[in-house]
Amino acid sequence: DGGITQSPKYLFRKEGQNVTLSCEQNLNHDAMYWYRQDPGQGLRLIYYSQIVNDFQKGDIAEGYSVSREKKESFPLTVTSAQKNPTAFYLCASSIGGDLSSPLHFGNGTRLTVT
Amino acid sequence: GQQVMQIPQYQHVQEGEDFTTYCNSSTTLSNIQWYKQRPGGHPVFLIQLVKSGEVKKQKRLTFQFGEAKKNSSLHITATQTTDVGTYFCAANAGNMLTFGGGTRLMVKP
Repeated sequence: DGGITQSPKYLFRKEGQNVTLSCEQNLNHDAMYWYRQDPGQGLRLIYYSQIVNDFQKGDIAEGYSVSREKKESFPLTVTSAQKNPTAFYLCASSIGGDLSSPLHFGNGTRLTVT
Repeated sequence: GQQVMQIPQYQHVQEGEDFTTYCNSSTTLSNIQWYKQRPGGHPVFLIQLVKSGEVKKQKRLTFQFGEAKKNSSLHITATQTTDVGTYFCAANAGNMLTFGGGTRLMVKP
């Protein structure tokens, strides 16, 4: 079955450490996205990529970095510069990056930084 | 940036009662999407509205896009316990998809 795989489901880190969240899709989608969700809140866009080797900042990119070396993969690094990294991180993909294609989400990674 | 307000934030209903969530934008939208997120789960796409005044139905769910394309609503008739979750609108004003804060629906059996 096609889908988006995020790993791990739960991640614990000490403050000051960088951490990389994995996102892989086998839907052959061009566009991929990273969202952050805080308890009781909506989704806020961190980064998105419409094509391999290209990505754009979203609303809350500070303290995060991404790469898109392969169509299937869009890893997110939460750096030590991110002030409040504890959150639920959702990766998504869509057929096109034209904002009219539905988003398909992975199951998410819950990151806790202490 | 684009603002998308969604109300109410929470709604408790008795099973069988109706439920409505509203999404309002400060700008005219190209389209609007609706998603449902079950507790502990991830958002799942429900529907997209594109045309002014458009109304779409999915069983007990009715989705509406305002005439001015600045607001939208999702109405659930005769809620069931399976409707529990958070409903999000996602508004496209041409340059970015912006999610509303969501409405969390709780259904009492």
